[in-house]
Amino acid sequence: QVQLVESGGGVVQPGRSLRLSCEASGFTFSSYGMHWVRQAPGKGLEWVAVLYSDGSNEYYADSVMGRFTISRDNSKNTLFLQMNSLRVEDTAVYYCARDQGVDTTWYEIDSWGQGTLVAVSS
Amino acid sequence: QSALTQPASVSGSPGQSITISCTGTSSDVGGYDYVSWYQHHPGKAPKFIIYDVTNRPSGVSNRFSGSKSGNTASLTISGLQAEDEADYYCTSYTSRSTLVFGTGTTVTVL
Repeated sequence: QVQLVESGGGVVQPGRSLRLSCEASGFTFSSYGMHWVRQAPGKGLEWVAVLYSDGSNEYYADSVMGRFTISRDNSKNTLFLQMNSLRVEDTAVYYCARDQGVDTTWYEIDSWGQGTLVAVSS
Repeated sequence: QSALTQPASVSGSPGQSITISCTGTSSDVGGYDYVSWYQHHPGKAPKFIIYDVTNRPSGVSNRFSGSKSGNTASLTISGLQAEDEADYYCTSYTSRSTLVFGTGTTVTVL
C-alpha cells in the first residue's frame, strides 16, 4: 500500500532554513506528481507546492514563493521541501501528499503522510 | 490566491443528511471539474472522499456525494453517522496551476 513518511521537522529560529524529506513506498514514485500541504495550529489545510512526476514543472503558493523549493530524487523515491527565510507564520504540520494522476498531474491528492511538525520560534 | 469559502460548521442528527458548500470563482471551482473533498480527523492524515466533483474513490461510502453549480461545489453526507464527525475540506485546481483549499467545515453529529 502507499506509504509516505515525512522527516526533518523541528524547532528553528526565524530567518533560518530547514529541509523536509518524504520517503515514498508502495507505488512507482516516478509516475506521480507530489505535493506539500501544511496545517498551522488551530487553522485549516493550506496547499504549499506541487512538483510534477518528471520534475518538469513546479508551482507554489504565494505565501512561500521565493522562499521554499520543492524537489525530488526519483532514484531514491524521495520528495524534498527546502524552506529558507523561515517565518513564525510558517509554523505548521507539513504533509507530503501524492497526486492521483499517473504520468499526469490532476491536482487531486489521493494519499497523505502523517506529517512532520515545523515550529519557527526565537 | 484566496481560500475557497466553506461554512465554519454544520450539524445534524444521526440518519439525517447535511450539505457543505464550497464557493470559489470562475478561476477555480467554476472553471474546472478538478474539485475534491477530504475528511480530516484531528491528528490523522486527511482522507480522500470525492474527486472530479462527483466521483468516489474505491472504498468510500456511497453516503458521500458531490455536485457543482457555477462557482459553488457541494458535499452531501446522507444517513449521518457518529463516525462522520470530522473536519471537511474542498479543493480546486486553479487557472494559475496551483491548488486551493477551502476554509474547512466542522461537522458535528448531534
